[in-house]
Amino acid sequence: NAGVMQNPRHLVRRRGQEARLRCSPMKGHSHVYWYRQLPEEGLKFMVYLQKENIIDESGMPKERFSAEFPKEGPSILRIQQVVRGDSAAYFCASGPGGSETQYFGPGTRLLVL
Amino acid sequence: GDSVTQMEGPVTLSEEAFLTINCTYTATGYPSLFWYVQYPGEGLQLLLKATKADDKGSNKGFEATYRKETTSFHLEKGSVQVSDSAVYFCALSDLTGGGNKLTFGTGTQLKVEL
Repeated sequence: NAGVMQNPRHLVRRRGQEARLRCSPMKGHSHVYWYRQLPEEGLKFMVYLQKENIIDESGMPKERFSAEFPKEGPSILRIQQVVRGDSAAYFCASGPGGSETQYFGPGTRLLVL
Repeated sequence: GDSVTQMEGPVTLSEEAFLTINCTYTATGYPSLFWYVQYPGEGLQLLLKATKADDKGSNKGFEATYRKETTSFHLEKGSVQVSDSAVYFCALSDLTGGGNKLTFGTGTQLKVEL
Protein backbone atom coordinates (compact mmCIF):
# COMPACT_ATOMS: atom_id res chain seq x y z
CA ASN A 1 0.00 0.00 0.00
CA ALA A 2 1.81 3.05 -1.27
CA GLY A 3 1.99 6.04 0.99
CA VAL A 4 1.28 9.65 0.12
CA MET A 5 3.20 10.60 -3.00
CA GLN A 6 4.36 14.06 -3.92
CA ASN A 7 6.15 15.30 -7.00
CA PRO A 8 8.42 16.79 -7.80
CA ARG A 9 10.57 16.35 -4.71
CA HIS A 10 12.60 19.41 -5.60
CA LEU A 11 11.54 22.33 -7.75
CA VAL A 12 13.54 25.38 -8.76
CA ARG A 13 11.78 28.41 -10.20
CA ARG A 14 12.79 31.95 -11.05
CA ARG A 15 10.84 34.87 -9.68
CA GLY A 16 7.63 35.41 -11.65
CA GLN A 17 7.28 31.82 -12.85
CA GLU A 18 4.56 29.39 -11.82
CA ALA A 19 5.02 26.40 -9.53
CA ARG A 20 2.76 23.34 -9.62
CA LEU A 21 3.03 20.82 -6.82
CA ARG A 22 1.26 17.48 -7.02
CA CYS A 23 0.00 15.16 -4.33
CA SER A 24 -1.48 11.70 -4.66
CA PRO A 25 -3.15 10.58 -1.42
CA MET A 26 -2.95 7.12 0.03
CA LYS A 27 -5.30 4.60 -1.52
CA GLY A 28 -8.75 4.95 -0.03
CA HIS A 29 -8.14 8.44 1.36
CA SER A 30 -10.48 11.17 0.17
CA HIS A 31 -9.16 14.05 2.28
CA VAL A 32 -6.06 16.04 1.39
CA TYR A 33 -4.26 18.73 3.38
CA TRP A 34 -1.45 21.06 2.35
CA TYR A 35 1.07 22.54 4.79
CA ARG A 36 4.04 24.83 4.33
CA GLN A 37 7.26 24.63 6.31
CA LEU A 38 9.49 27.67 6.20
CA PRO A 39 13.16 27.23 7.16
CA GLU A 40 13.65 26.57 10.87
CA GLU A 41 9.89 26.69 11.51
CA GLY A 42 7.06 24.28 12.11
CA LEU A 43 4.43 23.39 9.58
CA LYS A 44 1.62 25.83 8.89
CA PHE A 45 -1.75 24.69 7.59
CA MET A 46 -2.73 26.02 4.19
CA VAL A 47 -5.79 24.23 2.84
CA TYR A 48 -8.01 21.19 3.33
CA LEU A 49 -9.76 19.58 0.37
CA GLN A 50 -12.03 16.70 -0.39
CA LYS A 51 -12.73 15.49 -3.89
CA GLU A 52 -13.83 18.50 -5.96
CA ASN A 53 -14.37 20.64 -2.85
CA ILE A 54 -12.33 23.06 -0.80
CA ILE A 55 -13.35 22.58 2.84
CA ASP A 56 -11.05 25.02 4.61
CA GLU A 57 -8.63 27.44 2.97
CA SER A 58 -8.08 29.68 5.97
CA GLY A 59 -4.31 29.25 5.77
CA MET A 60 -3.92 30.08 2.10
CA PRO A 61 -2.41 33.42 1.12
CA LYS A 62 -5.09 35.54 -0.52
CA GLU A 63 -3.20 36.05 -3.76
CA ARG A 64 -1.22 33.84 -6.13
CA PHE A 65 -2.00 30.55 -4.34
CA SER A 66 -4.71 28.09 -5.33
CA ALA A 67 -5.44 24.42 -4.75
CA GLU A 68 -7.65 21.79 -6.29
CA PHE A 69 -8.45 18.13 -5.84
CA PRO A 70 -10.28 16.96 -8.95
CA LYS A 71 -12.46 13.91 -9.25
CA GLU A 72 -9.69 12.16 -11.11
CA GLY A 73 -5.99 12.67 -10.56
CA PRO A 74 -3.81 14.20 -7.90
CA SER A 75 -4.34 17.28 -5.81
CA ILE A 76 -2.51 20.32 -7.18
CA LEU A 77 -1.13 23.28 -5.26
CA ARG A 78 -0.45 26.11 -7.67
CA ILE A 79 1.65 29.17 -6.94
CA GLN A 80 1.60 31.89 -9.57
CA GLN A 81 4.30 34.53 -10.00
CA VAL A 82 6.52 33.05 -7.34
CA VAL A 83 8.65 35.27 -5.11
CA ARG A 84 11.68 34.38 -3.01
CA GLY A 85 9.56 34.26 0.12
CA ASP A 86 7.70 31.27 -1.35
CA SER A 87 10.84 29.16 -0.94
CA ALA A 88 9.85 26.46 1.52
CA ALA A 89 8.99 22.80 1.87
CA TYR A 90 5.39 22.05 0.96
CA PHE A 91 3.90 18.95 2.51
CA CYS A 92 0.75 17.14 1.59
CA ALA A 93 -1.09 14.86 3.97
CA SER A 94 -4.07 12.60 3.44
CA GLY A 95 -6.60 10.90 5.64
CA PRO A 96 -9.74 8.85 5.45
CA GLY A 97 -12.99 10.53 6.30
CA GLY A 98 -13.93 10.36 9.96
CA SER A 99 -10.37 10.13 11.27
CA GLU A 100 -8.15 12.82 12.72
CA THR A 101 -4.93 11.06 11.77
CA GLN A 102 -3.07 12.48 8.79
CA TYR A 103 -0.35 10.73 6.84
CA PHE A 104 2.31 12.90 5.29
CA GLY A 105 4.13 12.74 2.00
CA PRO A 106 7.87 13.39 1.61
CA GLY A 107 7.31 17.00 0.61
CA THR A 108 8.28 19.22 -2.30
CA ARG A 109 11.13 21.61 -1.65
CA LEU A 110 10.62 24.76 -3.66
CA LEU A 111 13.51 27.11 -4.26
CA VAL A 112 12.83 30.46 -5.90
CA LEU A 113 15.87 32.14 -7.39
CA GLY B 1 -6.77 30.54 18.32
CA ASP B 2 -5.18 27.20 18.96
CA SER B 3 -1.45 27.06 19.59
CA VAL B 4 1.30 24.62 20.54
CA THR B 5 4.48 25.51 22.40
CA GLN B 6 7.51 23.23 22.46
CA MET B 7 10.80 23.51 24.24
CA GLU B 8 13.50 24.94 22.04
CA GLY B 9 16.31 22.82 20.78
CA PRO B 10 18.62 21.47 19.89
CA VAL B 11 18.58 18.88 22.63
CA THR B 12 21.82 16.91 22.74
CA LEU B 13 21.97 13.64 24.67
CA SER B 14 24.27 10.70 25.04
CA GLU B 15 23.04 7.32 23.92
CA GLU B 16 20.90 5.57 26.57
CA ALA B 17 20.03 8.85 28.28
CA PHE B 18 16.47 9.73 29.32
CA LEU B 19 14.58 12.06 27.01
CA THR B 20 11.89 14.59 27.78
CA ILE B 21 10.59 17.09 25.24
CA ASN B 22 8.03 19.46 26.71
CA CYS B 23 4.87 20.41 24.87
CA THR B 24 1.98 22.56 26.06
CA TYR B 25 -1.07 23.63 24.14
CA THR B 26 -3.89 26.13 24.05
CA ALA B 27 -7.20 25.08 22.55
CA THR B 28 -10.82 26.11 22.87
CA GLY B 29 -12.24 22.60 22.75
CA TYR B 30 -10.96 19.11 23.40
CA PRO B 31 -8.35 18.44 20.76
CA SER B 32 -6.52 15.27 19.93
CA LEU B 33 -2.77 15.49 20.45
CA PHE B 34 0.03 14.09 18.31
CA TRP B 35 3.77 13.70 18.14
CA TYR B 36 5.33 13.54 14.69
CA VAL B 37 8.98 12.88 13.86
CA GLN B 38 10.88 14.22 10.86
CA TYR B 39 14.17 12.71 9.74
CA PRO B 40 16.48 14.82 7.58
CA GLY B 41 15.12 15.40 4.10
CA GLU B 42 11.95 13.44 4.75
CA GLY B 43 8.31 14.06 5.52
CA LEU B 44 6.65 13.73 8.89
CA GLN B 45 5.88 10.36 10.39
CA LEU B 46 3.23 9.89 13.03
CA LEU B 47 4.94 8.74 16.22
CA LEU B 48 2.04 8.57 18.65
CA LYS B 49 -1.27 10.16 19.50
CA ALA B 50 -3.83 10.56 22.29
CA THR B 51 -7.44 11.52 21.78
CA LYS B 52 -8.71 12.35 25.25
CA ALA B 53 -7.57 13.37 28.71
CA ASP B 54 -5.37 10.86 30.59
CA ASP B 55 -4.81 8.80 27.44
CA LYS B 56 -1.23 7.63 26.98
CA GLY B 57 0.13 7.27 23.48
CA SER B 58 3.14 5.03 22.97
CA ASN B 59 5.27 3.72 20.13
CA LYS B 60 8.87 2.53 19.67
CA GLY B 61 9.70 3.22 23.31
CA PHE B 62 8.32 6.76 23.19
CA GLU B 63 5.31 7.77 25.24
CA ALA B 64 3.26 10.84 26.06
CA THR B 65 0.27 11.38 28.35
CA TYR B 66 -2.55 13.81 27.59
CA ARG B 67 -2.75 16.04 30.70
CA LYS B 68 -5.80 18.27 30.52
CA GLU B 69 -5.17 19.93 33.88
CA THR B 70 -1.75 21.19 32.78
CA THR B 71 -2.57 21.33 29.04
CA SER B 72 0.54 19.31 28.33
CA PHE B 73 1.65 16.37 26.21
CA HIS B 74 5.31 15.85 27.03
CA LEU B 75 7.26 13.27 25.01
CA GLU B 76 9.47 10.83 26.93
CA LYS B 77 11.77 7.93 26.19
CA GLY B 78 13.71 6.00 28.76
CA SER B 79 16.81 5.26 26.68
CA VAL B 80 17.54 7.09 23.44
CA GLN B 81 19.55 5.74 20.53
CA VAL B 82 21.59 7.49 17.86
CA SER B 83 18.88 6.53 15.38
CA ASP B 84 16.39 8.70 17.32
CA SER B 85 18.19 11.83 16.12
CA ALA B 86 15.52 13.84 14.30
CA VAL B 87 13.15 16.79 14.70
CA TYR B 88 10.09 16.14 16.84
CA PHE B 89 6.85 18.07 16.37
CA CYS B 90 3.97 18.28 18.81
CA ALA B 91 0.60 18.98 17.19
CA LEU B 92 -3.10 19.21 17.95
CA SER B 93 -6.09 18.68 15.73
CA ASP B 94 -8.78 21.29 15.36
CA LEU B 95 -12.23 20.14 14.32
CA THR B 96 -13.70 23.64 14.19
CA GLY B 97 -16.03 24.20 11.27
CA GLY B 98 -15.86 20.63 10.14
CA GLY B 99 -12.20 20.90 9.32
CA ASN B 100 -9.37 18.79 10.60
CA LYS B 101 -6.27 20.90 10.37
CA LEU B 102 -3.24 20.24 12.51
CA THR B 103 -1.60 23.03 14.48
CA PHE B 104 2.09 22.36 15.00
CA GLY B 105 4.73 23.52 17.41
CA THR B 106 7.98 24.82 15.99
CA GLY B 107 9.75 21.50 16.45
CA THR B 108 12.56 20.32 18.72
CA GLN B 109 15.73 18.95 17.21
CA LEU B 110 17.18 15.97 19.06
CA LYS B 111 20.81 14.92 18.60
CA VAL B 112 21.94 11.69 20.18
CA GLU B 113 25.68 11.04 20.41
CA LEU B 114 27.64 7.91 21.19
